[in-house]
Amino acid sequence: EPEVTQTPSHQVTQMGQEVILRCVPISNHLYFYWYRQILGQKVEFLVSFYNNEISEKSEIFDDQFSVERPDGSNFTLKIRSTKLEDSAMYFCASREAGTQYFGPGTRLTVL
Amino acid sequence: DAKTTQPPSMDCAEGRAANLPCNHSTISGNEYVYWYRQIHSQGPQYIIHGLKNNETNEMASLIITEDRKSSTLILPHATLRDTAVYYCIVRVMDSSYKLIFGSGTRLLVRP
Repeated sequence: EPEVTQTPSHQVTQMGQEVILRCVPISNHLYFYWYRQILGQKVEFLVSFYNNEISEKSEIFDDQFSVERPDGSNFTLKIRSTKLEDSAMYFCASREAGTQYFGPGTRLTVL
Repeated sequence: DAKTTQPPSMDCAEGRAANLPCNHSTISGNEYVYWYRQIHSQGPQYIIHGLKNNETNEMASLIITEDRKSSTLILPHATLRDTAVYYCIVRVMDSSYKLIFGSGTRLLVRP
């Protein structure tokens, strides 16, 4: 069964550094998403992406964040200058019709 | 904010049916009810969804009341591996189809 994959599974970085989280969505899906979950809190929507542009973003998704689909398979989330409060699980999701399928997540730890 | 209300926790015995309720009294006529679950900090796993008819798949059954103001997810024979947080989500009918997660129900399956 096709699935969403994410790399790395765990990323440790220093405050102020740039990180890129990578996702490979399910191959025939056209809509892509990033969500995050701070430890012990709810899963929060960050951004949705379709047809090579952002279709919606949340208040969390400020100028420090960007997304890109650099080729036909990868979908990336970049955090330009990480803060301590960016430490969280980051989940990628993709959908073709109505249902979103999530990847296993990347745990980002900012020191 | 999430348009759903779920009990914070439930438990059931292994092998018995688990019935997880959800209230969504403000649901609109064209909004779907989705159920996902999250085991530890893994990515949310899609279970089932419905509009107004009852639905069944290999994982679970979804019973939606006639007025659509509430629904119940049924795991017919719960196993220890079904211990997870279960999220009932009314999918927002906007351009992005983003999912807004609440706090969910923490289901503990007892041996």
